[in-house]
Amino acid sequence: GAGVSQSPRYKVAKRGQDVALRCDPISGHVSLFWYQQALGQGPEFLTYFQNEAQLDKSGLPSDRFFAERPEGSVSTLKIQRTQQEDSAVYLCASSRFNTEAFFGQGTRLTVV
Amino acid sequence: GQQVMQIPQYQHVQEGEDFTTYCNSSTTLSNIQWYKQRPGGHPVFLIQLVKSGEVKKQKRLTFQFGEAKKNSSLHITATQTTDVGTYFCASAGGTSYGKLTFGQGTILTVHP
Repeated sequence: GAGVSQSPRYKVAKRGQDVALRCDPISGHVSLFWYQQALGQGPEFLTYFQNEAQLDKSGLPSDRFFAERPEGSVSTLKIQRTQQEDSAVYLCASSRFNTEAFFGQGTRLTVV
Repeated sequence: GQQVMQIPQYQHVQEGEDFTTYCNSSTTLSNIQWYKQRPGGHPVFLIQLVKSGEVKKQKRLTFQFGEAKKNSSLHITATQTTDVGTYFCASAGGTSYGKLTFGQGTILTVHP
């Protein structure tokens, strides 16, 4: 596709529910990032993939957060046993390699 | 970890007035990137600065990188209502893969 695609755009989850957020990066982009953006804040780094390898997951807030990119293209961010503090916009970005990042529209997660 | 501080948090201007946002770091930055996020949208890359003292212009936007590579600014001349949004600076921090650390952003409101 022409840009980074994320789905769903909006997700409402009950506290304790598991969620899965999908990211389709720009074709051919080696690098893929997940960021979390709380209301009124800048995006905060969660994790990074180079192709299928997860090279940095230092930003994942807890072991309830898990990300994968098994074939080096589509990535999924999974959050287990969601809590209210997980409510945020989750942004996916891809880039060729250490160049400008192209962001998707994000998934707005609301935990109730 | 590396932090970039951005001021002001909010800026309200009348259409036609100028606008400036500043980004500061206590450590030397390898580069600085600027992004614009429209309300309800996702961050969109504007520019990257790499060299000490670098100045780049895009129409009414002027970007500067400080001589010590610890600060940067974005200046908009004669704002228009289309300039509304949040402007973020971000630094890749010298990592090999471009992980971005974002400032808190400056929310620009332009009154017609």
